Amino acid sequence: DAGVTQSPTHLIKTRGQQVTLRCSPKSGHDTVSWYQQALGQGPQFIFQYYEEEERQRGNFPDRFSGHQFPNYSSELNVNALLLGDSALYLCASSFRGTGLSHEQYFGPGTRLTVT
Amino acid sequence: AQSVTQLDSQVPVFEEAPVELRCNYSSSVSVYLFWYVQYPNQGLQLLLKYLSGSTLVKGINGFEAEFNKSQTSFHLRKPSVHISDTAEYFCAVSDRSSASKIIFGSGTRLSIRP
Repeated sequence: DAGVTQSPTHLIKTRGQQVTLRCSPKSGHDTVSWYQQALGQGPQFIFQYYEEEERQRGNFPDRFSGHQFPNYSSELNVNALLLGDSALYLCASSFRGTGLSHEQYFGPGTRLTVT
Repeated sequence: AQSVTQLDSQVPVFEEAPVELRCNYSSSVSVYLFWYVQYPNQGLQLLLKYLSGSTLVKGINGFEAEFNKSQTSFHLRKPSVHISDTAEYFCAVSDRSSASKIIFGSGTRLSIRP
């Protein structure tokens, strides 16, 4: 049973560019959450997708957007990259039904470096 | 709104010694409590969670944590650490009513000395 997978593992972008990160949830999960983890800090919640809609959002600007597909996979898009967007981006999946939505399983992350 | 404070950014300890990683939280609503571990260059792995019931929670790798509602604490303990426990540990909370986003502390780096 594959866990949460993310791609790519690493990438380097230049300021002002746009980037797309991808996440496939654990089998049986229907909800995807995205977190940003800056170096030396704890993860910060960006947003959560369920039924292809953004359900909850953290304190991140509109440059951060997302999408969820019918197969529950998700993308995180960041426009107009800033140096401060350099971080590890973590995807977490969960199953909204039967009161298990608190059980989030994390992927290995995508390390984004903005130069 | 919730917040999590991890009181120690780094904890050095000798191998086979006991360890306690401290965590305090603040919330106006009932919360679930978690401890996650992050090994170098990896994602987060759930160590244990408190949902309800017994305040002493046992997790993987010999770790346990105790929920103290009056002190709003959820400290993590292990009676004897191993070199392989070297990692970053994160305390976290989520709102029981929505159980969606997880609020993390800033982390405690546990370094084990032989």
